[in-house]
Amino acid sequence: AQTVTQSQPEMSVQEAETVTLSCTYDTSESDYYLFWYKQPPSRQMILVIRQEAYKQQNATENRFSVNFQKAAKSFSLKISDSQLGDAAMYFCAYRPLGQGGSEKLVFGKGTKLTVNP
Amino acid sequence: NAGVMQNPRHLVRRRGQEARLRCSPMKGHSHVYWYRQLPEEGLKFMVYLQKENIIDESGMPKERFSAEFPKEGPSILRIQQVVRGDSAAYFCASSPGTPNIQYFGAGTRLSVL
Repeated sequence: AQTVTQSQPEMSVQEAETVTLSCTYDTSESDYYLFWYKQPPSRQMILVIRQEAYKQQNATENRFSVNFQKAAKSFSLKISDSQLGDAAMYFCAYRPLGQGGSEKLVFGKGTKLTVNP
Repeated sequence: NAGVMQNPRHLVRRRGQEARLRCSPMKGHSHVYWYRQLPEEGLKFMVYLQKENIIDESGMPKERFSAEFPKEGPSILRIQQVVRGDSAAYFCASSPGTPNIQYFGAGTRLSVL
């Protein structure tokens, strides 16, 4: 069974600094998607960034970028120039890509990010 | 284009009552997914539906829980005879097809007294 592990229950960062959130996963599949979702206090789940496993290039969305290491099954999220609005729970998630594969997302337990002014 | 709409936002039930949670997917989306989030936990998959069909219910408890996505109207997650352990946030997501991004609603927080 696929599992996703986020080893940092909490992290903090100073405003304008950079922070990296860790995620590792376990799968026997070769093709899959990886995601980072953000959950602010409003509870709304917001997609931050996604990565297709067959792409070697790391995904980037403005201040958010990932370091995808397929062999190590690692998928970390880097937030640059942190802003107060980045404070939230961050969830790493996995989903297989192949035809007939389950469409379900498998989530980690999350990392609570605090941004200090 | 309105997002995924879930209602109610907060639902309070006494033990033994029924809970009905509604989810209206984004316009044009025919795939719906339900997830449950227990306190201090990530989301756990429950069920995946397309219009009038259950595709994957591997995460649904065998008893008391059911889901539907009729041809017309919202998807419904129904929990019969609720117990305190059912207290959680229930999230719905939708997508236009597979494989595709799942867009989430704001969730329904169920509290069982």
